[in-house]
Amino acid sequence: NAGVTQTPKFQVLKTGQSMTLQCAQDMNHNSMYWYRQDPGMGLRLIYYSASEGTTDKGEVPNGYNVSRLNKREFSLRLESAAPSQTSVYFCASSGTLYTGELFFGEGSRLTVL
Amino acid sequence: RKEVEQDPGPFNVPEGATVAFNCTYSNSASQSFFWYRQDCRKEPKLLMSVYSSGNEDGRFTAQLNRASQYISLLIRDSKLSDSATYLCVVNRRAYNTDKLIFGTGTRLQVFP
Repeated sequence: NAGVTQTPKFQVLKTGQSMTLQCAQDMNHNSMYWYRQDPGMGLRLIYYSASEGTTDKGEVPNGYNVSRLNKREFSLRLESAAPSQTSVYFCASSGTLYTGELFFGEGSRLTVL
Repeated sequence: RKEVEQDPGPFNVPEGATVAFNCTYSNSASQSFFWYRQDCRKEPKLLMSVYSSGNEDGRFTAQLNRASQYISLLIRDSKLSDSATYLCVVNRRAYNTDKLIFGTGTRLQVFP
């Protein structure tokens, strides 16, 4: 069972470079999310997509853009990477948050030099 | 002040011990509550929901105190495999949208 798959797992960028994190889910979930996790800060929501065709800002959207390409795929783009974006990024999906169950990908470790 | 607060630990306990974690939340509009488990360098996974009447899942017991706005997780007979970070999560509903707020986590280390 693939669940939520995100790529790449590791990436090193120089300041100012751009990159896209890819995420796909095979659980037919409507909602998809991008989080970042930093020591002492917990998981913080960057952007989410409640359904295909919609995206909304989360808690920390600055410096990021997203695309909900179709029901399965939700990508996160860093247009001009900054050292403050060094973090672990998690993609997640859910059928409904009422049950509290988010299904996470394995994470992408990004370092910006 | 963070909306969901947890003691970061670490809690170092021997195998077989009972350990409890607390979590406080500041928004009284929070509707539902959960504990997630995150192993080192892995993704978080739902451990259990927390119901108002309290609930058990094997060695794990979760309780909610709405009046004091705190949630607890009790682990009995700790195993080495329980070593992980435990995330307290609150679902806050606003404008027909559910939003999960994560605590920073409490690290548990169980030693032989």
